[in-house]
Amino acid sequence: IAGITQAPTSQILAAGRRMTLRCTQDMRHNAMYWYRQDLGLGLRLIHYSNTAGTTGKGEVPDGYSVSRANTDDFPLTLASAVPSQTSVYFCASSLAGGNSPLHFGNGTRLTVT
Amino acid sequence: GQNIDQPTEMTATEGAIVQINCTYQTSGFNGLFWYQQHAGEAPTFLSYNVLDGLEEKGRFSSFLSRSKGYSYLLLKELQMKDSASYLCAVKDSNYQLIWGAGTKLIIKP
Repeated sequence: IAGITQAPTSQILAAGRRMTLRCTQDMRHNAMYWYRQDLGLGLRLIHYSNTAGTTGKGEVPDGYSVSRANTDDFPLTLASAVPSQTSVYFCASSLAGGNSPLHFGNGTRLTVT
Repeated sequence: GQNIDQPTEMTATEGAIVQINCTYQTSGFNGLFWYQQHAGEAPTFLSYNVLDGLEEKGRFSSFLSRSKGYSYLLLKELQMKDSASYLCAVKDSNYQLIWGAGTKLIIKP
């Protein structure tokens, strides 16, 4: 079934630990995105990639890094987790073009203690 | 700064009609999206408007007025499964999506 797969579904992480959230899509979409969603706030863009081999910073990039070695995969790494990074993380993808909607993965619920 | 405003929460009755408003102030405009998000799930795409007017898609319709920086999502013949959050998002002049905080819609029998 075509779509976006995120892993893990949820994770409890000790502060200071390193963590990589995985995201894979099989729709051959050019663009991929990482968002975080916190109660009472809109989705906030962390990093994005318009095409394989390129990445860019979003609204809240500090403490996060990404890579885009190929079209399908877009992992998000927290180098040293802090409690303020407790959130629900959504990976999304889209075709190029202004009217292309985003397709979202099911999210990763991360708790940093 | 850029801003999207939506009501935080709305309540409606099963079978009725509800209108969810969205006003925006962004640097440029390249389209407006509505998404539905059930609790604990991912957002899913509902509609896209780039020109003024009404776009109808089954029980859901979306309206845009670019001069007023205003959109609404109209849901007809409400069903219990329509209980969800509805997210408004605008693409700015750099084609970056700016998101509202979402409107939680509660449907009562």
